[in-house]
Amino acid sequence: DTEVTQTPKHLVMGMTNKKSLKCEQHMGHRAMYWYKQKAKKPPELMFVYSYEKLSINESVPSRFSPECPNSSLLNLHLHALQPEDSALYLCASSLEGVAFFGQGTRLTVV
Amino acid sequence: DAKTTQPPSMDCAEGRAANLPCNHSTISGNEYVYWYRQIHSQGPQYIIHGLKNNETNEMASLIITEDRKSSTLILPHATLRDTAVYYCIVRENSGYSTLTFGKGTMLLVSP
Repeated sequence: DTEVTQTPKHLVMGMTNKKSLKCEQHMGHRAMYWYKQKAKKPPELMFVYSYEKLSINESVPSRFSPECPNSSLLNLHLHALQPEDSALYLCASSLEGVAFFGQGTRLTVV
Repeated sequence: DAKTTQPPSMDCAEGRAANLPCNHSTISGNEYVYWYRQIHSQGPQYIIHGLKNNETNEMASLIITEDRKSSTLILPHATLRDTAVYYCIVRENSGYSTLTFGKGTMLLVSP
């Protein structure tokens, strides 16, 4: 099983809403990542978790709050987002350098 | 910042070999060359990686120059489904090192 599962696939939220993106993997990977990708741009790293601890935060605004409740799950909590936060949010996990990506959540902020 | 340089776009005829170049002149001794691709609106997909020897798997071949300053990804018989953005990335072979994407090469495979 080399699958990273992200839910939901699509999400529309208002600027005052609170929502969460979920990511799950059962490959035993101990590094997990969140990326943000705007249209026609490469993915940009947001957060890295290593052994369920946040190891890298690429100066992401506090309206994005990551959480790693266990070694298989990664959440991204969203609050008070702006329309410019609309993007494809990608989760990945890795073992020994090879990263596997989920299919992403397409987020639209209205 | 990405440590690689790739052409922004390339064309390839279906059935022909697609050769995608990548320059990584500042690669350090413990960094590997990784290739990923991203088909429209999907998550990136791992293709292949290598340190200094040439590598081959069921998807592609990776040719790394002797000085390791450049590499070429070869898709031996391109199909329409190979149309995607191809990213060349250098990183340490650790599960916890960051994966930084450059702008990649948009490969268009035509009938």
